Amino acid sequence: DAGVTQSPTHLIKTRGQQVTLRCSPKSGHDTVSWYQQALGQGPQFIFQYYEEEERQRGNFPDRFSGHQFPNYSSELNVNALLLGDSALYLCASSLEGSNQPQHFGDGTRLSIL
Amino acid sequence: AQSVTQLDSQVPVFEEAPVELRCNYSSSVSVYLFWYVQYPNQGLQLLLKYLSGSTLVESINGFEAEFNKSQTSFHLRKPSVHISDTAEYFCAVTPPNFGNEKLTFGTGTRLTIIP
Repeated sequence: DAGVTQSPTHLIKTRGQQVTLRCSPKSGHDTVSWYQQALGQGPQFIFQYYEEEERQRGNFPDRFSGHQFPNYSSELNVNALLLGDSALYLCASSLEGSNQPQHFGDGTRLSIL
Repeated sequence: AQSVTQLDSQVPVFEEAPVELRCNYSSSVSVYLFWYVQYPNQGLQLLLKYLSGSTLVESINGFEAEFNKSQTSFHLRKPSVHISDTAEYFCAVTPPNFGNEKLTFGTGTRLTIIP
């Protein structure tokens, strides 16, 4: 039973560029949440997708956008990258209505030069 | 809104000694509480959770945490630590119905086990 998988594992970009991170949820899960974890900090909630719609959003600018596909996989897009966007981006999946904890992937480490 | 405070950013402990990692939360509504562990270069793994019922919850690897509503705390303890417990530990809260709600995390406590 595959858990949450994220790609790529590492990525290096320069300021002003755009990036797309990908997430496949755990088998049987239909909800995907994205978190940003800056160095030495706890994860911060970015947004959550369910039924291909953004359902909740944290305190992140519009440069951060996402998408969920019919197979429940998800993408996180960040435009106009800033140095401060350097972080570990974590994807978590869960099953709507299951009352079970979110499962996390190993993350994508994004470095902005 | 919820918030989580982990006062200790780093905790060094000798192998086989006991440890307590502190977590306090603030919320205007009832919450579910979690401890997650993060090993180097990995994502988060759920260590244990409190939903309701017994205020003492245990994990399979010897950790336990006790929910104290009056002190709004959910401290993590282990009576005897092992080298393999070296990791970052995060306390988190969410309103009930947590499969659909965002997790609010503390800033983490780095547990270092000294041989």
